[in-house]
Amino acid sequence: DSGVTQTPKHLITATGQRVTLRCSPRSGDLSVYWYQQSLDQGLQFLIHYYNGEERAKGNILERFSAQQFPDLHSELNLSSLELGDSALYFCASSVVPSGGSVNGELFFGEGSRLTVL
Amino acid sequence: AQKITQTQPGMFVQEKEAVTLDCTYDTSDPSYGLFWYKQPSSGEMIFLIYQGSYDQQNATEGRYSLNFQKARKSANLVISASQLGDSAMYFCAMREAMYSGGGADGLTFGKGTHLIIQP
Repeated sequence: DSGVTQTPKHLITATGQRVTLRCSPRSGDLSVYWYQQSLDQGLQFLIHYYNGEERAKGNILERFSAQQFPDLHSELNLSSLELGDSALYFCASSVVPSGGSVNGELFFGEGSRLTVL
Repeated sequence: AQKITQTQPGMFVQEKEAVTLDCTYDTSDPSYGLFWYKQPSSGEMIFLIYQGSYDQQNATEGRYSLNFQKARKSANLVISASQLGDSAMYFCAMREAMYSGGGADGLTFGKGTHLIIQP
């Protein structure tokens, strides 16, 4: 058990819909990262939050947004869903506060598997 | 150019044999960290081992060791005495100290190697 909790574990929805994925980081971790894993694209970094502030954006679509709340949990919002958004979405947390420090592994949740029909 | 390259999409290995999973990386940052993760069929990502660019010795964690060849920009994972439970996807990843334009503090992952241990 990594200590990172993601809900829901599975989600099936239709094209055009909107979903929210939730993540609770490990106790004490201020950094939260979101990744998308699909068969064709592999593991793609989406976005990083540190203590409530957005730190870095990766390959995140404009239809997607995220936030980190004062209690440090994070939500990833996916809207106007398309078939190609079907993927496993991971949240990870870390003790690494910001750029400049390269050690400190990411602890991953079990992922939220999204299926768009 | 890809930051992390894993050239072995899949590997079949006999149980109890040693396994080497290849990983090469590309960075101009003198400070970086290299990570290996295991993803079994259940889907979770499990951290295995870490190597810092300034570490003098190769990292080891139980049956896992990292063969770090800095000049060749290579960070191969070695699993000794493989077990059936080692069957999984294995991902090599890197964190660079300086902001690289994508995932400043996160990890950049390779495509992975699917390892199957045969009895």
